[in-house]
Amino acid sequence: DTAVSQTPKYLVTQMGNDKSIKCEQNLGHDTMYWYKQDSKKFLKIMFSYNNKELIINETVPNRFSPKSPDKAHLNLHINSLELGDSAVYFCASSPWAGDYEQYFGPGTRLTVT
Amino acid sequence: KNQVEQSPQSLIILEGKNCTLQCNYTVSPFSNLRWYKQDTGRGPVSLTIMTFSENTKSNGRYTATLDADTKQSSLHITASQLSDSASYICVVSAYDSGGYQKVTFGTGTKLQVIP
Repeated sequence: DTAVSQTPKYLVTQMGNDKSIKCEQNLGHDTMYWYKQDSKKFLKIMFSYNNKELIINETVPNRFSPKSPDKAHLNLHINSLELGDSAVYFCASSPWAGDYEQYFGPGTRLTVT
Repeated sequence: KNQVEQSPQSLIILEGKNCTLQCNYTVSPFSNLRWYKQDTGRGPVSLTIMTFSENTKSNGRYTATLDADTKQSSLHITASQLSDSASYICVVSAYDSGGYQKVTFGTGTKLQVIP
């Protein structure tokens, strides 16, 4: 009964391809997030959705498009992949976009060749 | 600009010893501060969370302190175990104009506990 799950765990693809990463949480949380962790292990927020509504959109290239079909799912679609997109992408959720801790998924390691 | 700095960058200690990790931040307006533990190849897991009025919070062998005046926090690990080997990340939240929290992550301290 994984709380926050992501698929796939590993993704290797070539430059220029389009790929998606899926995230699901079964915690009943209202808010979900996507983070990018680079090679220096620095976590940076990309997007946040609260009840399917986009509330945080950091300076991320518009090749990245989040989609939230319902509040339990937040998928990340990436167009025209570039070498610099290689990183570990973490999905997270929290009860609300307020003072609550975030529960992280296991991460998806994306390698663009 | 909101920033969270952690020190040391990495640390090696003997099993059974104590250690203290530091976090300095310039995030404003401050909402809360969390310490996360991230095992290799896993997502971060929350250890403690403190709001402005709290200056210490414990979770087993982990004790976090917060000085909101000096904008500093520390994470003290007592009687370290091999399983404590991980990266420890300090995360500070602030409210934006829309009332939602914006989080700033520190770069982490990589702790290695050796037998």
